[in-house]
Amino acid sequence: EPEVTQTPSHQVTQMGQEVILRCVPISNHLYFYWYRQILGQKVEFLVSFYNNEISEKSEIFDDQFSVERPDGSNFTLKIRSTKLEDSAMYFCASSGDRDNMNTEAFFGQGTRLTVV
Amino acid sequence: TQLLEQSPQFLSIQEGENLTVYCNSSSVFSSLQWYRQEPGEGPVLLVTVVTGGEVKKLKRLTFQFGDARKDSSLHITAAQPGDTGLYLCAGGAGNMLTFGGGTRLMVKP
Repeated sequence: EPEVTQTPSHQVTQMGQEVILRCVPISNHLYFYWYRQILGQKVEFLVSFYNNEISEKSEIFDDQFSVERPDGSNFTLKIRSTKLEDSAMYFCASSGDRDNMNTEAFFGQGTRLTVV
Repeated sequence: TQLLEQSPQFLSIQEGENLTVYCNSSSVFSSLQWYRQEPGEGPVLLVTVVTGGEVKKLKRLTFQFGDARKDSSLHITAAQPGDTGLYLCAGGAGNMLTFGGGTRLMVKP
């Protein structure tokens, strides 16, 4: 069964450093997302991406964050100048194919980011 | 801001009991999805409901979408220890999902 894959599963970084979280969405999906979940809290929407551009973003997704689809398969989230409060699970998701737009989102296993 | 409130937050029951968890909002959603999440893993999609009043069944799980598309419920019949986990509802609006806080279910043998 097709799945969303994320790497790495766990990333530890020093405060102030930049990190790139990687995702391979389901191959025929057209919509890509990043969500985050701080330990013990709700899953929060960060950004959605369609047709090589951001389609929606939350207030969390400020200038510190950026997304990119560098090739036909990868979807990345870059966090610049990481802060302690960026520590969270980051989930990539994808949805929607050419026959059925905006269908349900499928999530990856997540990357646990720890900023020290 | 659209909010989804789930209740109860925690539920501990014996194997074989029935249970219902609720997902409520003051906002209308175009669709509502139920996920199950294990510790340290991503949410796994269980079902999507789209039409007001819709009922979907997945083995012992019954999902209902309210007529006004503002609320939903998940009913589990004859719960088993394997049903233990965090159940999340998420409302769709545009290209984003708003998640509820989840119901953590424990089914004791």
